[in-house]
Amino acid sequence: SQQGEEDPQALSIQEGENATMNCSYKTSINNLQWYRQNSGRGLVHLILIRSNEREKHSGRLRVTLDTSKKSSSLLITASRAADTASYFCASLGGATNKLIFGTGTLLAVQP
Amino acid sequence: DTGVSQNPRHKITKRGQNVTFRCDPISEHNRLYWYRQTLGQGPEFLTYFQNEAQLEKSRLLSDRFSAERPKGSFSTLEIQRTEQGDSAMYLCASSTGVKMNTEAFFGQGTRLTVV
Repeated sequence: SQQGEEDPQALSIQEGENATMNCSYKTSINNLQWYRQNSGRGLVHLILIRSNEREKHSGRLRVTLDTSKKSSSLLITASRAADTASYFCASLGGATNKLIFGTGTLLAVQP
Repeated sequence: DTGVSQNPRHKITKRGQNVTFRCDPISEHNRLYWYRQTLGQGPEFLTYFQNEAQLEKSRLLSDRFSAERPKGSFSTLEIQRTEQGDSAMYLCASSTGVKMNTEAFFGQGTRLTVV
């Protein structure tokens, strides 16, 4: 499979707690992106980190990238019930610079 | 609405029939992707275009699947002789592609059910 892998597959936390999701990818990359998908809907872009960056912040989101380990993590701080969704990482790279998604983490934030 | 548009939103077809889906990307975007997604899984790469050129097609894609982007604007994805295993959400996305570090914008998808 071309897909990257994410863990955990599912995560359930209480409102106000932090959520951390991890992603591994397979090829050299130009960037690593994180997307969110609500049930039955399209994907929405959250944040992009370039291959020469190690950490990036956007609001309550913090992304790290370790190209030596081909891995990334997404931290959502002070979670809210509205953060309940599936989260996917996507790596842009390979010989033809295509965007390849991971298997996703289903996050449930309990109010 | 200037986002990515996919039509139809839903398609129910009988096994063995051909179906065609359309994707209209954001107008200035020259990269266009097609993905397939089944329940509980991540989007699976099918193919993508830079302008009218099809740069790569997944090896997982059988010869029953074909995609075109004739004028570098909208794209169509055709599935011939549909099988029940083709039932999935088919997603289209576009990006500017001029610089690599831009995000992709997704349409709402076409949900295919093969009965």
